[in-house]
Amino acid sequence: QSALTQPPSASGSLGQSVTISCTGTNSDVGRYKHVSWYQQHSGKAPKLMIYEVSERPSGVPDRFSGSKSGNTASLTVSGLQAEDEADYYCSSYADSKSYVFGSGTNVAVL
Amino acid sequence: QVQLQESGPGLVKPSGTLSLTCAVSGGSIISNNRWSWVRQPPGKGLEWIGEAHHGGDTKYSPSLKSRVTISLDKSKNQFSLNLNSVTAADTAIYFCTSQSGWYVDYWGQGILVTVSS
Repeated sequence: QSALTQPPSASGSLGQSVTISCTGTNSDVGRYKHVSWYQQHSGKAPKLMIYEVSERPSGVPDRFSGSKSGNTASLTVSGLQAEDEADYYCSSYADSKSYVFGSGTNVAVL
Repeated sequence: QVQLQESGPGLVKPSGTLSLTCAVSGGSIISNNRWSWVRQPPGKGLEWIGEAHHGGDTKYSPSLKSRVTISLDKSKNQFSLNLNSVTAADTAIYFCTSQSGWYVDYWGQGILVTVSS
């Protein structure tokens, strides 16, 4: 199975919003609600930011939101802050009874 | 809160077997969580390797299924990864992880394993 497709980079100014797309197929993103998003700062382990397409774990700011349409899921970060600068990965459950991650997006805060 | 800590050799020879252990604290290996491994080649993206549940169910990535085994040690509250016939392409940071649902909610700090002679 191939990695989900994400743009390599995205950017936004402090206080603005940025949206990252995650495109899969009807065997993963399009079929299941089990889409999650992870934030990874350089040299650190990833952190769960969104699960089940749009649910936020306790402690994650409500500036982070998720959605899905067809085979594409999206993560939006509103009110960008300096600490949001990181790599972001999507993930989806797949028909193969396994999980597939996205290719990753580096978010820069200008 | 579950805490995970990887351990094992940082260097493995080509064609050998990569063996890692993950110690679990703050939670029980016989809970309903699924215990899994994710890896990340240096400078690249994440790859899910597989998971195991104390009930005996295991699932593996199709691309690694022929070479990987994940097992649980209930007496030591830890779980392990074995990946055989390794090549340089298996050089990566290996994270042990916990899944309470269809997502990874806890991560170890990661351990770099290099495949080289």
